[in-house]
Amino acid sequence: GENVEQHPSTLSVQEGDSAVIKCTYSDSASNYFPWYKQELGKRPQLIIDIRSNVGEKKDQRIAVTLNKTAKHFSLHITETQPEDSAVYFCAEPGTYKYIFGTGTRLKVLA
Amino acid sequence: GAGVSQTPSNKVTEKGKYVELRCDPISGHTALYWYRQSLGQGPEFLIYFQGTGAADDSGLPNDRFFAVRPEGSVSTLKIQRTERGDSAVYLCASSLSDSLRGEQFFGPGTRLTVL
Repeated sequence: GENVEQHPSTLSVQEGDSAVIKCTYSDSASNYFPWYKQELGKRPQLIIDIRSNVGEKKDQRIAVTLNKTAKHFSLHITETQPEDSAVYFCAEPGTYKYIFGTGTRLKVLA
Repeated sequence: GAGVSQTPSNKVTEKGKYVELRCDPISGHTALYWYRQSLGQGPEFLIYFQGTGAADDSGLPNDRFFAVRPEGSVSTLKIQRTERGDSAVYLCASSLSDSLRGEQFFGPGTRLTVL
Protein backbone atom coordinates (compact mmCIF):
# COMPACT_ATOMS: atom_id res chain seq x y z
CA GLY A 1 0.00 0.00 0.00
CA GLU A 2 0.92 3.68 -0.12
CA ASN A 3 3.21 4.64 2.73
CA VAL A 4 5.82 7.31 3.42
CA GLU A 5 8.31 6.85 6.21
CA GLN A 6 10.05 9.97 7.49
CA HIS A 7 13.08 10.17 9.79
CA PRO A 8 14.05 11.51 12.21
CA SER A 9 10.94 12.60 14.05
CA THR A 10 12.88 15.30 15.89
CA LEU A 11 16.17 16.95 15.07
CA SER A 12 18.16 19.55 16.99
CA VAL A 13 21.13 21.28 15.39
CA GLN A 14 23.35 24.18 16.28
CA GLU A 15 22.86 27.33 14.26
CA GLY A 16 25.07 27.17 11.20
CA ASP A 17 25.15 23.38 11.05
CA SER A 18 23.40 21.28 8.42
CA ALA A 19 20.20 19.28 8.80
CA VAL A 20 19.11 16.27 6.78
CA ILE A 21 15.67 14.70 6.78
CA LYS A 22 14.94 11.51 4.88
CA CYS A 23 11.82 9.96 3.47
CA THR A 24 11.22 6.54 2.00
CA TYR A 25 8.31 6.00 -0.35
CA SER A 26 6.59 2.86 -1.52
CA ASP A 27 5.27 3.43 -5.04
CA SER A 28 8.03 3.04 -7.61
CA ALA A 29 5.83 4.84 -10.15
CA SER A 30 5.82 8.07 -8.13
CA ASN A 31 7.50 10.90 -10.01
CA TYR A 32 7.02 14.03 -7.89
CA PHE A 33 8.26 14.67 -4.37
CA PRO A 34 7.51 17.87 -2.45
CA TRP A 35 8.71 19.11 0.91
CA TYR A 36 6.49 21.32 3.08
CA LYS A 37 7.42 23.47 6.06
CA GLN A 38 4.89 24.15 8.80
CA GLU A 39 5.58 26.69 11.50
CA LEU A 40 3.70 26.47 14.76
CA GLY A 41 0.05 27.35 14.23
CA LYS A 42 0.56 28.09 10.55
CA ARG A 43 -0.36 26.36 7.32
CA PRO A 44 2.04 24.00 5.49
CA GLN A 45 3.98 25.75 2.73
CA LEU A 46 5.94 24.21 -0.11
CA ILE A 47 9.65 24.92 0.19
CA ILE A 48 11.10 22.71 -2.54
CA ASP A 49 10.07 19.87 -4.81
CA ILE A 50 11.73 17.49 -7.22
CA ARG A 51 10.57 15.49 -10.20
CA SER A 52 11.88 12.06 -10.94
CA ASN A 53 13.81 13.05 -14.03
CA VAL A 54 16.50 14.72 -11.90
CA GLY A 55 18.54 13.49 -8.95
CA GLU A 56 19.04 16.77 -7.13
CA LYS A 57 17.57 20.24 -6.93
CA LYS A 58 18.94 23.18 -5.00
CA ASP A 59 17.48 26.51 -3.94
CA GLN A 60 19.89 28.62 -1.91
CA ARG A 61 20.37 26.83 1.44
CA ILE A 62 17.84 24.11 0.68
CA ALA A 63 18.35 21.06 -1.51
CA VAL A 64 16.47 17.86 -2.21
CA THR A 65 18.05 14.65 -3.46
CA LEU A 66 16.26 11.68 -4.94
CA ASN A 67 17.40 8.07 -5.12
CA LYS A 68 14.84 6.26 -7.23
CA THR A 69 16.54 2.90 -6.90
CA ALA A 70 16.32 2.96 -3.14
CA LYS A 71 13.05 4.94 -3.16
CA HIS A 72 14.49 7.62 -0.87
CA PHE A 73 14.38 11.38 -1.07
CA SER A 74 16.02 13.74 1.37
CA LEU A 75 15.84 17.37 2.39
CA HIS A 76 19.13 19.11 3.11
CA ILE A 77 19.30 22.47 4.87
CA THR A 78 22.73 24.07 5.13
CA GLU A 79 23.84 26.95 7.35
CA THR A 80 20.75 26.55 9.48
CA GLN A 81 19.19 29.60 11.06
CA PRO A 82 16.73 29.95 13.96
CA GLU A 83 13.92 30.73 11.50
CA ASP A 84 14.39 27.27 10.00
CA SER A 85 12.86 25.86 13.20
CA ALA A 86 9.57 24.25 12.18
CA VAL A 87 8.02 20.90 11.31
CA TYR A 88 8.94 19.58 7.88
CA PHE A 89 6.79 17.12 5.94
CA CYS A 90 7.62 15.11 2.87
CA ALA A 91 4.83 13.88 0.62
CA GLU A 92 4.28 11.36 -2.11
CA PRO A 93 1.46 11.58 -4.62
CA GLY A 94 -0.52 8.37 -4.46
CA THR A 95 -3.42 7.61 -6.73
CA TYR A 96 -5.55 10.79 -6.60
CA LYS A 97 -4.19 11.82 -3.22
CA TYR A 98 -1.10 13.01 -1.38
CA ILE A 99 0.41 10.86 1.33
CA PHE A 100 2.30 12.94 3.87
CA GLY A 101 5.08 11.75 6.11
CA THR A 102 4.72 11.97 9.87
CA GLY A 103 6.87 15.08 10.07
CA THR A 104 10.24 16.11 11.49
CA ARG A 105 10.39 18.74 14.16
CA LEU A 106 13.58 20.70 13.51
CA LYS A 107 14.95 22.90 16.25
CA VAL A 108 17.86 25.19 15.46
CA LEU A 109 19.70 26.19 18.60
CA ALA A 110 21.19 29.66 18.68
CA GLY B 1 -8.24 36.84 -2.44
CA ALA B 2 -4.64 35.95 -2.94
CA GLY B 3 -4.68 32.61 -1.20
CA VAL B 4 -6.86 29.79 0.04
CA SER B 5 -9.21 30.88 2.79
CA GLN B 6 -11.15 28.81 5.28
CA THR B 7 -13.97 29.68 7.62
CA PRO B 8 -14.45 29.57 10.48
CA SER B 9 -10.92 29.65 11.85
CA ASN B 10 -12.12 28.01 15.04
CA LYS B 11 -15.23 25.98 15.75
CA VAL B 12 -16.25 24.62 19.13
CA THR B 13 -19.23 22.32 19.17
CA GLU B 14 -20.83 19.72 21.36
CA LYS B 15 -20.80 16.02 20.76
CA GLY B 16 -23.60 14.98 18.46
CA LYS B 17 -23.93 18.32 16.68
CA TYR B 18 -23.59 19.03 12.96
CA VAL B 19 -20.84 21.28 11.59
CA GLU B 20 -19.93 22.76 8.24
CA LEU B 21 -16.46 23.91 7.31
CA ARG B 22 -15.93 26.11 4.28
CA CYS B 23 -13.02 26.41 1.89
CA ASP B 24 -12.47 29.10 -0.75
CA PRO B 25 -9.70 27.95 -3.10
CA ILE B 26 -7.49 30.14 -5.21
CA SER B 27 -9.44 31.38 -8.21
CA GLY B 28 -8.93 29.14 -11.21
CA HIS B 29 -7.65 26.15 -9.26
CA THR B 30 -9.55 23.10 -10.40
CA ALA B 31 -8.16 20.67 -7.83
CA LEU B 32 -9.24 20.93 -4.19
CA TYR B 33 -8.23 18.72 -1.27
CA TRP B 34 -9.40 18.32 2.29
CA TYR B 35 -7.03 17.04 4.96
CA ARG B 36 -7.28 16.49 8.68
CA GLN B 37 -4.30 17.16 10.92
CA SER B 38 -4.11 15.98 14.48
CA LEU B 39 -1.54 17.34 16.91
CA GLY B 40 1.95 16.15 16.06
CA GLN B 41 0.86 14.40 12.87
CA GLY B 42 1.09 15.08 9.16
CA PRO B 43 -1.96 16.06 7.14
CA GLU B 44 -4.19 13.05 6.59
CA PHE B 45 -6.00 12.94 3.25
CA LEU B 46 -9.80 13.04 3.32
CA ILE B 47 -11.12 13.84 -0.14
CA TYR B 48 -10.01 15.24 -3.50
CA PHE B 49 -12.16 17.19 -5.95
CA GLN B 50 -11.38 17.76 -9.59
CA GLY B 51 -13.87 20.41 -10.61
CA THR B 52 -17.25 19.60 -9.13
CA GLY B 53 -16.72 15.89 -8.74
CA ALA B 54 -15.03 13.98 -5.95
CA ALA B 55 -12.26 12.09 -7.71
CA ASP B 56 -11.30 10.26 -4.54
CA ASP B 57 -13.15 10.21 -1.23
CA SER B 58 -11.39 7.18 0.17
CA GLY B 59 -9.96 9.17 3.08
CA LEU B 60 -13.30 10.08 4.61
CA PRO B 61 -13.32 8.10 7.87
CA ASN B 62 -17.02 7.15 7.84
CA ASP B 63 -20.40 8.18 6.52
CA ARG B 64 -20.72 11.02 9.03
CA PHE B 65 -18.30 12.96 6.81
CA PHE B 66 -19.39 14.43 3.50
CA ALA B 67 -18.04 17.15 1.22
CA VAL B 68 -19.44 19.05 -1.72
CA ARG B 69 -18.17 21.46 -4.35
CA PRO B 70 -21.30 22.25 -6.37
CA GLU B 71 -19.88 24.92 -8.67
CA GLY B 72 -16.30 23.80 -8.84
CA SER B 73 -14.93 26.52 -6.59
CA VAL B 74 -16.04 26.79 -2.92
CA SER B 75 -16.19 23.52 -1.04
CA THR B 76 -17.94 22.59 2.19
CA LEU B 77 -16.95 19.74 4.47
CA LYS B 78 -19.90 18.52 6.51
CA ILE B 79 -19.67 16.43 9.65
CA GLN B 80 -22.78 14.93 11.19
CA ARG B 81 -23.17 13.69 14.77
CA THR B 82 -19.73 14.96 15.74
CA GLU B 83 -17.62 12.91 18.11
CA ARG B 84 -14.74 13.98 20.36
CA GLY B 85 -12.37 12.09 18.11
CA ASP B 86 -13.25 14.45 15.26
CA SER B 87 -11.35 17.24 17.02
CA ALA B 88 -8.47 18.31 14.78
CA VAL B 89 -7.39 21.02 12.37
CA TYR B 90 -9.12 20.61 9.03
CA LEU B 91 -6.97 21.88 6.18
CA CYS B 92 -8.04 22.67 2.67
CA ALA B 93 -5.63 22.95 -0.24
CA SER B 94 -6.01 23.82 -3.89
CA SER B 95 -3.86 23.25 -6.92
CA LEU B 96 -3.80 24.69 -10.41
CA SER B 97 -2.67 21.45 -11.96
CA ASP B 98 -5.15 18.73 -12.73
CA SER B 99 -2.57 16.14 -11.84
CA LEU B 100 -0.89 15.39 -8.58
CA ARG B 101 2.40 16.82 -9.77
CA GLY B 102 2.14 20.40 -8.69
CA GLU B 103 2.24 22.61 -5.62
CA GLN B 104 -0.69 22.45 -3.28
CA PHE B 105 -1.56 25.76 -1.62
CA PHE B 106 -2.95 25.30 1.85
CA GLY B 107 -5.47 27.37 3.70
CA PRO B 108 -4.98 28.39 7.33
CA GLY B 109 -7.20 25.59 8.55
CA THR B 110 -10.25 25.32 10.77
CA ARG B 111 -9.58 24.13 14.30
CA LEU B 112 -12.53 21.97 15.29
CA THR B 113 -13.05 21.14 18.95
CA VAL B 114 -15.79 18.72 19.92
CA LEU B 115 -16.63 18.88 23.61
